[in-house]
Amino acid sequence: GENVEQHPSTLSVQEGDSAVIKCTYSDSASNYFPWYKQELGKRPQLIIDIRSNVGEKKDQRIAVTLNKTAKHFSLHITETQPEDSAVYFCAAKRGGGSSNTGKLIFGQGTTLQVKP
Amino acid sequence: GAVVSQHPSRVICKSGTSVKIECRSLDFQATTMFWYRQFPKKSLMLMATSNEGSKATYEQGVEKDKFLINHASLTLSTLTVTSAHPEDSSFYICSARSWGTDTQYFGPGTRLTVL
Repeated sequence: GENVEQHPSTLSVQEGDSAVIKCTYSDSASNYFPWYKQELGKRPQLIIDIRSNVGEKKDQRIAVTLNKTAKHFSLHITETQPEDSAVYFCAAKRGGGSSNTGKLIFGQGTTLQVKP
Repeated sequence: GAVVSQHPSRVICKSGTSVKIECRSLDFQATTMFWYRQFPKKSLMLMATSNEGSKATYEQGVEKDKFLINHASLTLSTLTVTSAHPEDSSFYICSARSWGTDTQYFGPGTRLTVL
């Protein structure tokens, strides 16, 4: 079945530095890749997503890149701030068939700590 | 837009009792809802997928008779943990998605503690 591997499990950066989190997926039929941010005890919140027909997407300080050939995608956060500290999850969803039944396969999560 | 609520946020119950958790989509029609379980410092573990008006599809290893899911309307799904035991204590989170879209929106979660 589909598997999503996420690295690193923990990441500590200084405020203002960049942070990069990487994920690889196994199912070549995956075509939707969201990233979620989860603060302690809170719900996961969608921060950015990308579809397989696009190689890169940016939203202010956040960007996601996708390499379909290598089956990996990455989250890039620039100019990190302490409020970026949280757990980040990548996910992949298989395309085709009914988009009403496809499920997200989540990575293991990355705990990002931004030091002031 | 795309708000999902969950109730209750916290519940403490005695071993052997049943607990019902509600998940509501407040401003959109959720044709598909998902139920996850999350252990401390761990990822989201999908328990089941429910489509409105259909029986839920459970993931391997999840007991359907223990975790009863009902998705009777386009805005409400419920998860009932039957005969709860301490090992069922966990953070349960739902998410919802509307027809023909990929994006899932999560509820705030329910912290279940079984004594």
